[in-house]
Amino acid sequence: GAVVSQHPSWVICKSGTSVKIECRSLDFQATTMFWYRQFPKQSLMLMATSNEGSKATYEQGVEKDKFLINHASLTLSTLTVTSAHPEDSSFYICSASLPRLGTDNEQFFGPGTRLTVL
Amino acid sequence: RKEVEQDPGPFNVPEGATVAFNCTYSNSASQSFFWYRQDCRKEPKLLMSVYSSGNEDGRFTAQLNRASQYISLLIRDSKLSDSATYLCVVNGGYGQNFVFGPGTRLSVLP
Repeated sequence: GAVVSQHPSWVICKSGTSVKIECRSLDFQATTMFWYRQFPKQSLMLMATSNEGSKATYEQGVEKDKFLINHASLTLSTLTVTSAHPEDSSFYICSASLPRLGTDNEQFFGPGTRLTVL
Repeated sequence: RKEVEQDPGPFNVPEGATVAFNCTYSNSASQSFFWYRQDCRKEPKLLMSVYSSGNEDGRFTAQLNRASQYISLLIRDSKLSDSATYLCVVNGGYGQNFVFGPGTRLSVLP
């Protein structure tokens, strides 16, 4: 099956630093990857859609200058949280879309990155 | 109105019980529908896709009613290992983002 990895799995950083999270599709090429954020006891909220070779599409309310997304290859997308603050502490999950016949495309999720900003 | 709504939960049921989850979606143009399960502090994992004709996978049965914009998941003979949060997910088509419902937490008790 399709496997998506994320690195790091957890990170603790000081307020004001930047953190980069990598998302890789290991056994398939993903032209589209998605970045989600999940706060405790809440559902996943889409932050942005990352398309290989083009600019990411951000959801309303997500600051593109704070959450930098780069999708430089068909197997790698990165999310950089710039100048992180405690309110950015969350569970960040990426997913990659695997198209199937018709419209029944499936998304495969990475294991997530737990970010704690002190 | 939220795009995808689910039973608020939590559901606490004994082993062996049958439990049903309900989900409604607002975008009538939605094309793909899924149930995912998410264990605590883990990523969501696909449980099953949902087809218009209804589909079954072992103890799990999913139904879709496009006219009512309603999706359901039935779990029969529930096991302790079924304890998780069940997420209803709706997708507008290839390349479109998934919209997640808020999830319904299930606890199966011994």
